[in-house]
Amino acid sequence: AQSVAQPEDQVNVAEGNPLTVKCTYSVSGNPYLFWYVQYPNRGLQFLLKYITGDNLVKGSYGFEAEFNKSQTSFHLKKPSALVSDSALYFCAVKISSGSARQLTFGSGTQLTVLP
Amino acid sequence: DTAVSQTPKYLVTQMGNDKSIKCEQNLGHDTMYWYKQDSKKFLKIMFSYNNKELIINETVPNRFSPKSPDKAHLNLHINSLELGDSAVYFCASSQVNGAGTEAFFGQGTRLTVV
Repeated sequence: AQSVAQPEDQVNVAEGNPLTVKCTYSVSGNPYLFWYVQYPNRGLQFLLKYITGDNLVKGSYGFEAEFNKSQTSFHLKKPSALVSDSALYFCAVKISSGSARQLTFGSGTQLTVLP
Repeated sequence: DTAVSQTPKYLVTQMGNDKSIKCEQNLGHDTMYWYKQDSKKFLKIMFSYNNKELIINETVPNRFSPKSPDKAHLNLHINSLELGDSAVYFCASSQVNGAGTEAFFGQGTRLTVV
């Protein structure tokens, strides 16, 4: 079984400061890892993914994430937060084999960037 | 062009009614999904169809029945609606053969059962 944990329900950060949203995963096999963002009353938008290769992946809107296999983590980061980054962030995982390959989501982290 | 579109966006209905939510994707993907987002924003997969065939059916009441007339459509029919069915339902699609490809989501259907 695959699972994702986002240990923080809420993250608050001041505008201009760096932000980190944490994610750890558990899979039996090689993971594919994703971050999605959900703005109020909207669907999920893809931010970035890790498939293979460089552990640091860059995505939309200046976000990046680092895959750490030994810590089974995939934390989302941004060097300088914007008020417009305030949203609900989801980490997700799927395994690289099998017919299903569905995304399993974490519980979400509400990011609030304070002006 | 909207990649994954679902209708309606909002649905308010009484207990006991039967309703359907439609989903269409124009991305040429081979797999479509239905997810349920509850009041705590937790996302849980309900169904997955690959090339019109059901491949995932999580523990969902049999009042929920997905129907895929073709690869581009996956509709969700719900019978005998209950208060607990109130949630936001998201349709999504992806290309499973490229397992690393991301899923694209619709805007969601907010279902309220009164």
